[in-house]
Amino acid sequence: GAVVSQHPSWVICKSGTSVKIECRSLDFQATTMFWYRQFPKQSLMLMATSNEGSKATYEQGVEKDKFLINHASLTLSTLTVTSAHPEDSSFYICSASGPLDRRTEAFFGQGTRLTVV
Amino acid sequence: ELKVEQNPLFLSMQEGKNYTIYCNYSTTSDRLYWYRQDPGKSLESLFVLLSNGAVKQEGRLMASLDTKARLSTLHITAAVHDLSATYFCAVDVSGTYKYIFGTGTRLKVLA
Repeated sequence: GAVVSQHPSWVICKSGTSVKIECRSLDFQATTMFWYRQFPKQSLMLMATSNEGSKATYEQGVEKDKFLINHASLTLSTLTVTSAHPEDSSFYICSASGPLDRRTEAFFGQGTRLTVV
Repeated sequence: ELKVEQNPLFLSMQEGKNYTIYCNYSTTSDRLYWYRQDPGKSLESLFVLLSNGAVKQEGRLMASLDTKARLSTLHITAAVHDLSATYFCAVDVSGTYKYIFGTGTRLKVLA
């Protein structure tokens, strides 16, 4: 148990368009999910905390109007990159707080590689 | 603000050798995690350390946590080529599952 799945695994989009990334907890309910961004050869940086049924909390320096987060159910959070630009090209990884019997860690998705051309 | 530093950033070592990666963090936390990341992939969980003095071992890797010193170590014993990857430590912010990651250590094991 405790599987987190992201979709798509990779996406290429044109500059100025929007792209949506999904993060699903497949076999448990996650009240909280997190979105991270990783640029090449760098560490993971937390972008935002996504809470089911409420507004996301963004880290300092992350534009909330550009990175729209929706957590409409206990198993799905989405990240929409609006008006994407080449500098938004990155590896986006989500995580979810674990199920009740595995509340010692968060579980990570397989990541989504976004390339904006 | 919680900061997490790892050293070294890069490590090139011969097969069969031992080495230690260090992870220092700036504020109190009782939960620390180690991950492995292969190129183009997401994170693979290695160790979950939840208390002061915790020590865990899996194969050639051993991790420990000293919460008083705010220090965790990842020790590699008799390295093999398959251990080549980037290793990250991550600290939980006050038990929220929100992680602050270390800078990462890129390990290359030379045959």
